Amino acid sequence: AQTVTQSQPEMSVQEAETVTLSCTYDTSESDYYLFWYKQPPSRQMILVIRQEAYKQQNATENRFSVNFQKAAKSFSLKISDSQLGDAAMYFCAYKTMGYNNNDMRFGAGTRLTVKP
Amino acid sequence: DAGVTQSPTHLIKTRGQQVTLRCSPISGHKSVSWYQQVLGQGPQFIFQYYEKEERGRGNFPDRFSARQFPNYSSELNVNALLLGDSALYLCASSLTAWGTEAFFGQGTRLTVV
Repeated sequence: AQTVTQSQPEMSVQEAETVTLSCTYDTSESDYYLFWYKQPPSRQMILVIRQEAYKQQNATENRFSVNFQKAAKSFSLKISDSQLGDAAMYFCAYKTMGYNNNDMRFGAGTRLTVKP
Repeated sequence: DAGVTQSPTHLIKTRGQQVTLRCSPISGHKSVSWYQQVLGQGPQFIFQYYEKEERGRGNFPDRFSARQFPNYSSELNVNALLLGDSALYLCASSLTAWGTEAFFGQGTRLTVV
């Protein structure tokens, strides 16, 4: 079964600095998707960034980028120029690619604090 | 366009009671998935429905059931509530069952006392 591990329960960063959140996963499949979701106190899960496993190029979305290491099964999120609004829970998630894929597997989350 | 809407936002139930949670997907989305998020943990998959058929079921007891209506809205039912059912229940919608873009609602906070 696919599992997702986030080893950092909490992280903090100074405003305008850079922080990296770690994620590892376990799977025997070769094609899949990886995601980072943000969950602020409002509770709504917001997609931050997505990576397709067959793509070698790391995904980027403005200040957010990932370091995808397929062989190591590692998928870290880098937040550059951190802003106060980045403070939230961040969840790494895995999803099988294919017609019958149905669910996402989430890690336990990392709580990010941004200090002014 | 409205996002994924869930109702109610909060509710309190007594052990042994039954509860129904509701979800309206984004217009045009035909797939709805339900997740349970216990405090301090990541969401866990409960069900997925696509075109009114169950497409996936997570490791939850038969007390949990769901259905999808012709307008693609969905209900999650939980019978014989236990204290351990207290959690945030999230609904996510996507265009298709295999879609990679899942949009979440704000969840229903269920407290069982």
